[in-house]
Amino acid sequence: KAGVTQTPRYLIKTRGQQVTLSCSPISGHRSVSWYQQTPGQGLQFLFEYFSETQRNKGNFPGRFSGRQFSNSRSEMNVSTLELGDSALYLCASSLDAGSGRELFFGEGSRLTVL
Amino acid sequence: GENVEQHPSTLSVQEGDSAVIKCTYSDSASNYFPWYKQELGKRPQLIIDIRSNVGEKKDQRIAVTLNKTAKHFSLHITETQPEDSAVYFCAASQDSGTYKYIFGTGTRLKVLA
Repeated sequence: KAGVTQTPRYLIKTRGQQVTLSCSPISGHRSVSWYQQTPGQGLQFLFEYFSETQRNKGNFPGRFSGRQFSNSRSEMNVSTLELGDSALYLCASSLDAGSGRELFFGEGSRLTVL
Repeated sequence: GENVEQHPSTLSVQEGDSAVIKCTYSDSASNYFPWYKQELGKRPQLIIDIRSNVGEKKDQRIAVTLNKTAKHFSLHITETQPEDSAVYFCAASQDSGTYKYIFGTGTRLKVLA
């Protein structure tokens, strides 16, 4: 069974640009959530999608947005990039059924903003 | 707002000793508390979790305890081994609905051989 796949794995952007990151969940998983990981800040929740609907959102500015497609694949977009957006962006999928609460993470997309 | 505090941020132990990592959560509605381990350059993976109707859970060398009154939960690793070296994250969530996890800031555990 294929794991969670994130693309691209690495990218470099300059301030003011925008970026789109993609996440393909494990087959059958309908919940996809996104986290920003930075040294000292741990994993900060961005948002979570289920059946193409955003169910919850973290405390990030409106420059951070996302969506989910009918096949459960998800994308997140960051517009008007700032230096502080440099981070590892992790996507996680989950079954969303019964006690299936385990998050399965992808390897992440490492974004560097210059 | 919702918050999870995790201590210590770094922890060094001798191989064979025990390690304890502590977390405190703020949201009284939280009832599900997982722990994730992230080895260097790898993705976080679930190692153990506990629900609020249980005070303690053990899986081989790993155990988690929960004090709902104090809003504390802890990870205990006994007989530590070099492969236990990693960053450990605690998290708090609700055991239904949305998968919004509030993670702690992580503990870097180093097991010295």
